Amino acid sequence: AQTVTQSQPEMSVQEAETVTLSCTYDTSESDYYLFWYKQPPSRQMILVIRQEAYKQQNATENRFSVNFQKAAKSFSLKISDSQLGDAAMYFCARGRGGNTPLVFGKGTRLSVIA
Amino acid sequence: TAGITQAPTSQILAAGRSMTLRCTQDMRHNAMYWYRQDLGLGLRLIHYSNTAGTTGKGEVPDGYSVSRANTDDFPLTLASAVPSQTSVYFCASSPQGTGANVLTFGAGSRLTVL
Repeated sequence: AQTVTQSQPEMSVQEAETVTLSCTYDTSESDYYLFWYKQPPSRQMILVIRQEAYKQQNATENRFSVNFQKAAKSFSLKISDSQLGDAAMYFCARGRGGNTPLVFGKGTRLSVIA
Repeated sequence: TAGITQAPTSQILAAGRSMTLRCTQDMRHNAMYWYRQDLGLGLRLIHYSNTAGTTGKGEVPDGYSVSRANTDDFPLTLASAVPSQTSVYFCASSPQGTGANVLTFGAGSRLTVL
């Protein structure tokens, strides 16, 4: 089975500092999509950032950016200027395009320390 | 507000009883999905539907069934619940085209089977 691996079950960061969450994936496809979703204590799943594999430029969304290393099949999420509201579970996911279902990693729980 | 509505929000169920989790979307998305979330296991796909009238099995389909009679509704049925089906269940949907693979999630249904 093609998998998504998040090797850090838990991470913590000081408020205003930068943290990087790791994700590696397995795929035999040449065209695919990668995602980071955030799940705060409210349980709602919120899309943070999306990357198309054919694009070399790393996606950014305000304080959130990714380091996409296609050859290494690595897709890490960097959160800059961390805020208390960033505390959540973060899930990395991979999709093959079209309407194929996403495959999710097991998640990384991020704590933000004031 | 457009989106996905799941019901019930929370339910306690006796083992052996049947239960249907409801999911309705008003975005006219073609594809719909059911995931279960368990601590330490992330989100795992139960069943999916690429379009009305079609369904497919995910990673953990045993003990669950789905139907897709129309675009908007995608109910998940547990015919005879067992304690291992205690979980949080998420319904999600995605459009075709450039937004493909971007999942919109419902708020989740917490099910406890005793």
